[in-house]
Amino acid sequence: QVRLQQWGAGLLKPSETLSITCAVFGGSFTGYYWSLIRQPPGKGLEWIGEINESGTANYNPSLKSRVTISIDTSRNQFSLNLNSVTAADTAVYYCARADNLGTTFDIWGQGTPVTVSS
Amino acid sequence: QSALTQPASVSGSPGQSITISCIGSSSDIGSYNLVSWYQQYPGKAPRVMIYEGSKRPSGVSNRFSGSRSGNTASLTISGLQAEDEADYYCCSYAGNTYHVIFGGGTKLTVL
Repeated sequence: QVRLQQWGAGLLKPSETLSITCAVFGGSFTGYYWSLIRQPPGKGLEWIGEINESGTANYNPSLKSRVTISIDTSRNQFSLNLNSVTAADTAVYYCARADNLGTTFDIWGQGTPVTVSS
Repeated sequence: QSALTQPASVSGSPGQSITISCIGSSSDIGSYNLVSWYQQYPGKAPRVMIYEGSKRPSGVSNRFSGSRSGNTASLTISGLQAEDEADYYCCSYAGNTYHVIFGGGTKLTVL
């Protein structure tokens, strides 16, 4: 059974870089889009971006200038870097597996709460 | 690209049916039958309930069904049960630029 485990720093200061790493256990790394989605407190879901095993990444245009998603196929891990964070980036960040169309998120990580505060 | 539009809340009594709408545009729902629906309990990760408009993943009750008409997708839950009380989000493919967009979420209350 495929499982996603994620981790990252939970408290950041404005202008710092947010980093989340997601590890994939128990399944193939190929044939899927590995995605990052966030949810501000009390609000809805926002797609951040995705990457496939070839390293092809797509990003939300509203975040594209600050986001990098990378992949390490040797470790079955993918990572999010979001730079120059502000309080507006405070959210729970989720890793998720998407199908080959990138539109159905069938496996989710447990979520990493991140707070940006001075 | 704006988020998809969902009602903030819906409610129903046990045994009844409810429908949650998800209004998009010709750039997303209207162009692609790639709508998915997610159920989320407080403090938990979302769970996919419907994908590609009307398909149910293994393990999801057949009380959940999805449909699409024009720029609007809908999630119907029949035979409401207390355990259905949760937040529900729609999601659609939106083309090569915006890729994926979500709705704002609907809180379902089972009375």
